[in-house]
Amino acid sequence: AQTVTQSQPEMSVQEAETVTLSCTYDTSESDYYLFWYKQPPSRQMILVIRQEAYKQQNATENRFSVNFQKAAKSFSLKISDSQLGDAAMYFCAYRVGLNQGGKLIFGQGTELSVKP
Amino acid sequence: EAGVAQSPRYKIIEKRQSVAFWCNPISGHATLYWYQQILGQGPKLLIQFQNNGVVDDSQLPKDRFSAERLKGVDSTLKIQPAKLEDSAVYLCASSLGRDRGTYGYTFGSGTRLTVV
Repeated sequence: AQTVTQSQPEMSVQEAETVTLSCTYDTSESDYYLFWYKQPPSRQMILVIRQEAYKQQNATENRFSVNFQKAAKSFSLKISDSQLGDAAMYFCAYRVGLNQGGKLIFGQGTELSVKP
Repeated sequence: EAGVAQSPRYKIIEKRQSVAFWCNPISGHATLYWYQQILGQGPKLLIQFQNNGVVDDSQLPKDRFSAERLKGVDSTLKIQPAKLEDSAVYLCASSLGRDRGTYGYTFGSGTRLTVV
């Protein structure tokens, strides 16, 4: 069974600085998707960035980028120029194969605080 | 496009009572998911529907939880009788279907259930 592990329950960053959130996963599949979601106090999960496992190029979305290391099964999120609005819970998620229904498996989350 | 609608937003009940949550997915989304998110943890899939059929309910406590999606559109999740450990946020999500899912899911804002 696939698992997702986020080893940092809490992280803190100074406004305008850069922070990296860690995520590791375990799978025997070769083709899959990985996601980072942001969950503010409003509770709604907001997609931050996604990565297809068959793509070697790391995904980038404005200030957000990932470091995808397929062999190491590592998928970290880097937030550059951190803003106060980035403060939230961040979840790493793995999408299982379609033959297993394509559900998302989430890590435990990392609470990010941004200091002004 | 309208998002995933959920109601109620909050619910407080006594243990052994029953409760129901409602979800209306994005129009045209064939796949609907119910996740349970206990405080401090990542969401865990309870049940997945493809149109009005169940794809995965392996993590659904069937002795007390039930869910339906009769017309392949909106869905209801019920708990009867509720236990203290059912206190959690119940998130509904939808996606286009069992495709490559390149855009992940769209989540609702969830229902926060407190069982006292």
